Amino acid sequence: KQEVTQIPAALSVPEGENLVLNCSFTDSAIYNLQWFRQDPGKGLTSLLLIQSSQREQTSGRLNASLDKSSGRSTLYIAASQPGDSATYLCAPLRGKLIFGQGTELSVKP
Amino acid sequence: GAGVSQTPSNKVTEKGKYVELRCDPISGHTALYWYRQSLGQGPEFLIYFQGTGAADDSGLPNDRFFAVRPEGSVSTLKIQRTERGDSAVYLCASSEEGAISYNEQFFGPGTRLTVL
Repeated sequence: KQEVTQIPAALSVPEGENLVLNCSFTDSAIYNLQWFRQDPGKGLTSLLLIQSSQREQTSGRLNASLDKSSGRSTLYIAASQPGDSATYLCAPLRGKLIFGQGTELSVKP
Repeated sequence: GAGVSQTPSNKVTEKGKYVELRCDPISGHTALYWYRQSLGQGPEFLIYFQGTGAADDSGLPNDRFFAVRPEGSVSTLKIQRTERGDSAVYLCASSEEGAISYNEQFFGPGTRLTVL
């Protein structure tokens, strides 16, 4: 059974810092991995999708890496802004998405 | 439509009542998923449709929960004899046809269900 862990559970940083969110999963037999953002009381917004054959994916200030064999993914956010404040969820996929509990990020102005 | 839509956005019901939650996927997406999210937790998988058929319903918690997708587009999640523990946000997602397991899933805003 796939289990997903995200560290840290919560993070508070001043504006402008670069930061890394960590995701680990127990079953490396995945097809892809998605990173999502969730604002309070809202649905999930897809940020990045990394195919199992890829090592990383970039979108603007976001960069996600995937090491399937070790069961790890990281989301790197450059030059953080207050608008980045949200909960970030990672979810490996094999037929269905399995989610971690998320990292709650707060970026202070 | 432009994105996945879900109705109603909020539903309050009494214990023991029957509820239906609706999901309209992105036009042309043949795969549709239902997830449930409790407060402070990540979403949990309920059921996945490929076209009209349920390809994986292993996440449905018990036989009070049932979902249909009769024409391969709109889906309805049905909960009978609701219990207070069913209170959660129910999320719907869709993805494109093809190699389904490789495709990006797009989520709707969710339906917040409260059972009193």
